[in-house]
Amino acid sequence: NAGVTQTPKFRVLKTGQSMTLLCAQDMNHEYMYWYRQDPGMGLRLIHYSVGEGTTAKGEVPDGYNVSRLKKQNFLLGLESAAPSQTSVYFCASQGGDRNQPQHFGDGTRLSIL
Amino acid sequence: SQQGEEDPQALSIQEGENATMNCSYKTSINNLQWYRQNSGRGLVHLILIRSNEREKHSGRLRVTLDTSKKSSSLLITASRAADTASYFCATDATNAGKSTFGDGTTLTVKP
Repeated sequence: NAGVTQTPKFRVLKTGQSMTLLCAQDMNHEYMYWYRQDPGMGLRLIHYSVGEGTTAKGEVPDGYNVSRLKKQNFLLGLESAAPSQTSVYFCASQGGDRNQPQHFGDGTRLSIL
Repeated sequence: SQQGEEDPQALSIQEGENATMNCSYKTSINNLQWYRQNSGRGLVHLILIRSNEREKHSGRLRVTLDTSKKSSSLLITASRAADTASYFCATDATNAGKSTFGDGTTLTVKP
């Protein structure tokens, strides 16, 4: 049982480049989340999804887009990367009851030069 | 702004001692969750406590919730070096549709 898998684990981009981070979960969870974590800080919610085909903005959505075409996958896109988007990105999934824990991937470490 | 705020920011203790960290929040909640994060890894869920519960236990972990004070505490008893990690609280605010994380408490347990 893999749980939540994030790819890639590391990536270095140049300013202005685009890329997509992939999150896959095999627990048939309804809810999925993308967070960013900056050094010494907690997680800030970028976007989230409460089901296949739905997405919503979190606290810090600017510069990011997401898609949830399949229930098991949640994609995070950076259209034009900026140095301020250098961070560690975590994906999480949660069952369809908000009184369930979130399950996290191990993160994607992204550096924008 | 962060809904949950942990206190202290950092805590250093000797192995065998107890560790207590606190979380305060601002609005009414459905539940509050505690997570652990080891260096370079994702968060791991520890305990979820619902708004109508006052205390929960899991092994050496004890969590309390005081909704009148909008605060929660996590107690780790008989700490071990392996407990060294960052600990985060997350609040699921009523009608928010999502959880909000604090900035965490970094716990160091010295052998």
